[in-house]
Amino acid sequence: NAGVIQTPRHKVTGKGQEATLWCEPISGHSAVFWYRQTIVQGLEFLTYFRNQAPIDDSGMPKERFSAQMPNQSHSTLKIQSTQPQDSAVYLCASSLDRDREAERLFFGHGTKLSVL
Amino acid sequence: EQQVQQSPASLVLQEAENAELQCSFSIFTNQVQWFYQRPGGRLVSLLYNPSGTKQSGRLTSTTVIKERRSSLHISSSQITDSGTYLCAMERTGYGSSGNKLIFGIGTLLSVKP
Repeated sequence: NAGVIQTPRHKVTGKGQEATLWCEPISGHSAVFWYRQTIVQGLEFLTYFRNQAPIDDSGMPKERFSAQMPNQSHSTLKIQSTQPQDSAVYLCASSLDRDREAERLFFGHGTKLSVL
Repeated sequence: EQQVQQSPASLVLQEAENAELQCSFSIFTNQVQWFYQRPGGRLVSLLYNPSGTKQSGRLTSTTVIKERRSSLHISSSQITDSGTYLCAMERTGYGSSGNKLIFGIGTLLSVKP
């Protein structure tokens, strides 16, 4: 089991360009989460899917961020018109989401996004 | 407002010393997890401890829900324990969103030989 897989590991974009980040959750996990990590803010929740359905996107900047989960084996986070303040490590996590004990989160290595 | 406060912000130990990390919450929660992150590494879940005391190897977590706090005790620290320890809580009664975890900024632990 390779764990949660995120690609690419690093992405550099120019200001105004689009960035798409990919996440493959652990097989059998029904909950998928996206977080953003910066030195200043720490870990910020972005959005959450359960059984591919969007449950909570309260942490997503409304204008340029969107997330999808077209099938149970991958999720994408798309950032349109990237800005320097979007630079961060974007983390994907999954969990079994079946009972309280099984709700431990497993994180990927993250995608480090640098917007120049 | 930072909903999850962690202390100390950083801690330096000599190898074999014990460490006590603290976490407090501004609101009530029914789920607490402790995570570990090495620089450049992935976040790893250490302990899931909604209440009471749980142990895993040299790690012991004690959560007192009514006092809105949790602690992580690391016994006989090793150099390889160095890294950032993060506490996370789930907001209670957050509708159907279930497992939305709010994280603290973390405690940076450095264990010296």
